[in-house]
Amino acid sequence: LAKTTQPISMDSYEGQEVNITCSHNNIATNDYITWYQQFPSQGPRFIIQGYKTKVTNEVASLFIPADRKSSTLSLPRVSLSDTAVYYCLVGDRNYGQNFVFGPGTRLSVLP
Amino acid sequence: NAGVTQTPKFRILKIGQSMTLQCTQDMNHNYMYWYRQDPGMGLKLIYYSVGAGITDKGEVPNGYNVSRSTTEDFPLRLELAAPSQTSVYFCASSYYVAERDTQYFGPGTRLTVL
Repeated sequence: LAKTTQPISMDSYEGQEVNITCSHNNIATNDYITWYQQFPSQGPRFIIQGYKTKVTNEVASLFIPADRKSSTLSLPRVSLSDTAVYYCLVGDRNYGQNFVFGPGTRLSVLP
Repeated sequence: NAGVTQTPKFRILKIGQSMTLQCTQDMNHNYMYWYRQDPGMGLKLIYYSVGAGITDKGEVPNGYNVSRSTTEDFPLRLELAAPSQTSVYFCASSYYVAERDTQYFGPGTRLTVL
């Protein structure tokens, strides 16, 4: 199972760009990288997914270097409502048992 | 669509009691999952299913059982509750698509074993 490592916590201010990096040195060839957001007392919510290079959607961007041993979630111009725990998930989409949640990064956005 | 629904929202059990956590999805997803989340920790996969009649163990299956008789339902059974099973349980589902696969999570069931 591909294990991930993320910073435990990060602080930011409203309007700033936030970058959260996840390390996954043992990522397998078929593994995709997925990020989820979780608010207190709620289930995680999908943010973005990618395999290599860069992926962008209306919420975030995901940067994956060529060696795929890490990935960076970028949140542009964060607001107070972005305060949450962000999880990096690495696993083969074909086999559910390989999905492993990282410890998560607790992002606090300050006014 | 209601998405993924879970019942009950909260439950307190005594040691040795049994209960079933219910999970239903109305998105016609083939994959379903059960996770547990201990306080301040990440999610750990208990069991998963790739379709009706097919289930398999995840990272922490001991003390739990599952069944998948229909596409919609994926109940999680605790036979002999132990304090170590105090946690928040999340059910999730997904439909495998070639370009992307996204898990949709339910609101969770908070279980306390005393």
